[in-house]
Amino acid sequence: KAGVTQTPRYLIKTRGQQVTLSCSPISGHRSVSWYQQTPGQGLQFLFEYFSETQRNKGNFPGRFSGRQFSNSRSEMNVSTLELGDSALYLCASSTGVFENEQFFGPGTRLTVL
Amino acid sequence: GNSVTQMEGPVTLSEEAFLTINCTYTATGYPSLFWYVQYPGEGLQLLLKATKADDKGSNKGFEATYRKETTSFHLEKGSVQVSDSAVYFCARLNAGGTSYGKLTFGQGTILTVHP
Repeated sequence: KAGVTQTPRYLIKTRGQQVTLSCSPISGHRSVSWYQQTPGQGLQFLFEYFSETQRNKGNFPGRFSGRQFSNSRSEMNVSTLELGDSALYLCASSTGVFENEQFFGPGTRLTVL
Repeated sequence: GNSVTQMEGPVTLSEEAFLTINCTYTATGYPSLFWYVQYPGEGLQLLLKATKADDKGSNKGFEATYRKETTSFHLEKGSVQVSDSAVYFCARLNAGGTSYGKLTFGQGTILTVHP
């Protein structure tokens, strides 16, 4: 079974631009969660989608948004990029059942100049 | 709130040494507990999990026991290898409600194993 895939793996953007990251979950998984990883803040939860609905959201500004498609693939978008948005963005998939483990993709490394 | 605290690193060991990485969690709800490992330049890999008190998770020689009385989930390995060098994260996942899909992570512990 193929794992979680994320595209692109690396991105370089400038301040003020916007960016879209993509995540394809493991086949059969309906839940996708997104995390931001930085050296200073560690791993922080952005949001979770299940069957095209956002079920949970972390404490990030409205510039961070996401969506999920009917095939469970998910995208996250960051608008008006700031230098502090430079991070590794990880997505994770699971079946969506309570307490079920999440499987992570390799991440997208975003650098904002 | 829900939080996870890991022992501060970095941890440096010689090959075949015994490893313990401490992890404690706040006693709210009935969380599932996990250990993830991250190798340089990669995402997180699930190492082991436990879903209820007294459960023991194990994988690749690593073990951790869900201790409700001490709110702990310490990671142990009897004999580490150079290939175990990585960053280890303890995490909790509460069931449902406002916790859907939200893993809460500890700050991570860098482990370096020397030959």
